[in-house]
Amino acid sequence: GAGVSQSPSNKVTEKGKDVELRCDPISGHTALYWYRQSLGQGLEFLIYFQGNSAPDKSGLPSDRFSAERTGGSVSTLTIQRTQQEDSAVYLCASSLVQGARYNEQFFGPGTRLTVL
Amino acid sequence: AQSVTQLDSHVSVSEGTPVLLRCNYSSSYSPSLFWYVQHPNKGLQLLLKYTSAATLVKGINGFEAEFKKSETSFHLTKPSAHMSDAAEYFCVVSDRSGTASKLTFGTGTRLQVTL
Repeated sequence: GAGVSQSPSNKVTEKGKDVELRCDPISGHTALYWYRQSLGQGLEFLIYFQGNSAPDKSGLPSDRFSAERTGGSVSTLTIQRTQQEDSAVYLCASSLVQGARYNEQFFGPGTRLTVL
Repeated sequence: AQSVTQLDSHVSVSEGTPVLLRCNYSSSYSPSLFWYVQHPNKGLQLLLKYTSAATLVKGINGFEAEFKKSETSFHLTKPSAHMSDAAEYFCVVSDRSGTASKLTFGTGTRLQVTL
């Protein structure tokens, strides 16, 4: 079946511009996560959505970052007024949450963002 | 707060020899631990997971890991390396504060396999 998809695969933008990154989770998965992978910081958690609960935004690095998940499916990560330090690969993952058991997170291929 | 420390940033082995990738964790309670692999230009893939059942966990592609609470370790091993094992490996701990868990990644170990 189809895995997690992300678009675009690559994005080059100028400093100060806004960007939107899209994630399509696996159908039926109730939890969706965003992570960032950069040379300086490694892989770090940004935000997650679980069903109708308020999202956990504890990993967002600044108020320039925001995300939404419409209809419990597709998610968009928005970065306003991009800075060069925002350059990274942005990874999305989804999982099927069943009770308190850990459920595997399936990762998408990522969006490589380059801020010039 | 939970964390994982990967002791080696780079490991090089010859094809057919054993692989050992080291990971130590820090957690205030019994953690859920994982190893993920990332091949060049590919997405992250789960190799194996420990969630308080058997302490010796077997994963895909012949990898296994042993949870040792006394040593706070979760090292990844494979008896015989293959060229296709060359990749970046991440030791990961899960925050169990909710049912949907956010992952904390180690800094990664790049495995090189030579002929």
